[in-house]
Amino acid sequence: DQQVKQNSPSLSVQEGRISILNCDYTNSMFDYFLWYKKYPAEGPTFLISISSIKDKNEDGRFTVFLNKSAKHLSLHIVPSQPGDSAVYFCAASEKDNDMRFGAGTRLTVKP
Amino acid sequence: DADVTQTPRNRITKTGKRIMLECSQTKGHDRMYWYRQDPGLGLRLIYYSFDVKDINKGEISDGYSVSRQAQAKFSLSLESAIPNQTALYFCATSPGSGGWETQYFGPGTRLLVL
Repeated sequence: DQQVKQNSPSLSVQEGRISILNCDYTNSMFDYFLWYKKYPAEGPTFLISISSIKDKNEDGRFTVFLNKSAKHLSLHIVPSQPGDSAVYFCAASEKDNDMRFGAGTRLTVKP
Repeated sequence: DADVTQTPRNRITKTGKRIMLECSQTKGHDRMYWYRQDPGLGLRLIYYSFDVKDINKGEISDGYSVSRQAQAKFSLSLESAIPNQTALYFCATSPGSGGWETQYFGPGTRLLVL
């Protein structure tokens, strides 16, 4: 029973354009959401997070949006760069409880 | 030096063999985790530990055991490996300050069970 779902296994965008990665969750008790980025042969690295008391969090080119009523969050990357090509995992947790991950979306940014 | 290290990085073993994967961290974090990654399933939690005397089962603990030997070390054992345990295994840590926490991952161990 996957509580966190990333329905797009892959996404391809042109350099300079916006990348939008989507994530849906089913557990209404989740109150903290994160995005991780993973390059081949490396572990996932933390990218950006948002708590349920916010609907937007921004860090440079990366913005995460949370829609609690729809149980949906998205990661926007603007502008996209070739170095952003990686697998992106969405994750969610309740405070002090274990974290659940989505299956990941492979982003390819073409020069 | 990496903050979270895993050994070995790659391992091939045979069905029925016992195998141990090791994780060490220099971040000074209290909490440690073991995950496995399978294609199309993302990362799934196997076991986690909030301190040296604490061990908790995760989503998929059957067939695995763990040992938290010290704050900095957390090992994962497969007592009798089977082919469907072929996966990429990640160790992670978090501070243990409570509340919302970010986890920091090691580079992974690729395990193949023949």
